This record gives sequence, structure tokens and C-alpha cells, in this order.
Amino acid sequence: DAKTTQPPSMDCAEGRAANLPCNHSTISGNEYVYWYRQIHSQGPQYIIHGLKNNETNEMASLIITEDRKSSTLILPHATLRDTAVYYCIVNGAGSYQLTFGKGTKLSVIP
Amino acid sequence: EPEVTQTPSHQVTQMGQEVILRCVPISNHLYFYWYRQILGQKVEFLVSFYNNEISEKSEIFDDQFSVERPDGSNFTLKIRSTKLEDSAMYFCASSRFPGAGNTIYFGEGSWLTVV
Repeated sequence: DAKTTQPPSMDCAEGRAANLPCNHSTISGNEYVYWYRQIHSQGPQYIIHGLKNNETNEMASLIITEDRKSSTLILPHATLRDTAVYYCIVNGAGSYQLTFGKGTKLSVIP
Repeated sequence: EPEVTQTPSHQVTQMGQEVILRCVPISNHLYFYWYRQILGQKVEFLVSFYNNEISEKSEIFDDQFSVERPDGSNFTLKIRSTKLEDSAMYFCASSRFPGAGNTIYFGEGSWLTVV
């Protein structure tokens, strides 16, 4: 699986959009970009995933660059409950495992 | 919303004892997984399971570990003879299908403390 690079930490003001970047410059054509988050020591929570098109669901939006070498997760109106570690993961066809990195620790500040 | 459930939420065991962690995956899911996270470290893949067979395992998943689907709903992880370094949060997960484009859902974890 391709590796990802994320900033170790970010702050965001409550109510503002949180934009979390991820670089995955070695991603191959059949690999998806996944985002999970982990609040304290709870189980990783699925947020969103995409292949090449931008995706939106009730939690977040995922913007993938045209060359697919990077992506941004957008939480449109961050709340204190969004404080967590966010993981960007690249996963290919037929792969059974997700490879977690250190992620980005997002702190939402009142 | 369907979810993966795990029991126990916390277990303390003595070194050398056998431990069984239990999981109920999401009902229409076919692929099951165990991950672990040692305190302060990354979430690590242990094993995946499909059709009553291990489909993939990591180097961590040695002979001390085993998995089983004893009935139509439960999925278990057994550690035969626990060591201090087995202390970690163990996450069960499941998905309808494996790999790209399919979503893996995680349970809340079982915290294992080996003393």
C-alpha cells in the first residue's frame, strides 16, 4: 500500500471549517483514499472514502486532487466533539488490512 | 446504525493465562478482522478472516494467537499464554467485502491488561 504523510497536529476554532491535508504521492490507480478518526482510545470511526472524485457525506467532504497525489478532508463546521486523531489511509483492491500511521491530532478550540 | 460489539470492555489477566476476546460483527458482513493498539502507539493489523479461514495475518499474529467463528454471530481472538507485552486495546472490525472501495467498521475495543 502507498504511504501517506499528514501533519502531526492542527488546531481549529469551533464552528469553523477544519481542513486536514494528506499527501499520498505514490498512490496507484486502484487505490482508494480512506479517512478514519479515533476519539481518545475509542475504536477507529469511519468517515469517508474516495477514488478520484470528490465525495461528501453527512460527516465530511473529501477533496482529491486531479493527479490523486494528495487529498483534503473537510469538516465543515467543527465542534468540540470533533477533537480526535484523524487518519488518512490508502487501500488497494484485494487488500485485507488498513495500515494506520500516526495521523493528525485535531484540536477544536472553543 | 449497525455496529460491531466487543466484550469484555476491559480485562485484567495474569501473565501466562489464556484470554478470549469476543466480538459480534455487523450481521451481513463476511470479513472479520482483529487489530490492536498498544498505549500511545499506532493501530496495528493482526489478522483477517473469511469463510472460516485466515485470509491474511501480520507478523504480530504468532502461534500464541488464534481466531475462531464458533457460531453464526461471534468472532473470537484467543491468546494462549499472555505476556506483559500483550497489554493493549484490541479492536474487532468487519466489512461486507475486502479491499478497495469497501468500508471496514470497528468496534469500541477490549482493553487487555496483563499483570
